[in-house]
Amino acid sequence: AQKITQTQPGMFVQEKEAVTLDCTYDTSDQSYGLFWYKQPSSGEMIFLIYQGSYDEQNATEGRYSLNFQKARKSANLVISASQLGDSAMYFCAMRALNFNKFYFGSGTKLNVKP
Amino acid sequence: DAGVTQSPTHLIKTRGQQVTLRCSPISGHKSVSWYQQVLGQGPQFIFQYYEKEERGRGNFPDRFSARQFPNYSSELNVNALLLGDSALYLCASSLGEGRSGNQPQHFGDGTRLSIL
Repeated sequence: AQKITQTQPGMFVQEKEAVTLDCTYDTSDQSYGLFWYKQPSSGEMIFLIYQGSYDEQNATEGRYSLNFQKARKSANLVISASQLGDSAMYFCAMRALNFNKFYFGSGTKLNVKP
Repeated sequence: DAGVTQSPTHLIKTRGQQVTLRCSPISGHKSVSWYQQVLGQGPQFIFQYYEKEERGRGNFPDRFSARQFPNYSSELNVNALLLGDSALYLCASSLGEGRSGNQPQHFGDGTRLSIL
């Protein structure tokens, strides 16, 4: 069975600083994809970044980067130069490529302080 | 281009009633998935449909059902509503079935269902 664990219910970061949101996963599949989504208070889920299990380089998308450590089964999201608009819930998700299911973690609420 | 659209945005029902939620995927997307998000938790997978066929099912009772139409839009039906069904119901679409792995799901704004 697949499982996503996000151990930080809430995080605070000062504006313009970097922050790391933790995500560990458990799967017996060899091929899988890892995703991060942002959910502002308005409710919509916004796709941020993707990492494939066979990708050799860590994914980057603008201020977002994914610190992928396959042996440790971790896929931490790094947000550089935090902005006030980054305050939101952040969800880590996984899809095993042979199963049509997305598994989400419980989320981390990020608060960016001015 | 329009994103994923869901209707209605809010809905209030009483226990025992039935509800139908609707979703229109992004143009060109053939896969639709449904999720239930209870307040304070991450989304829980309910169904995935691709080319009008059910391709995945989460751990939800048979009171939950869905279908996908030839235009790839989808409906989620919930019968015999319980208080615990109160949640945000999210619809997500993606280009293909997803077996290539790197296709993100694009979410709608959700339908907030309240059961009294």
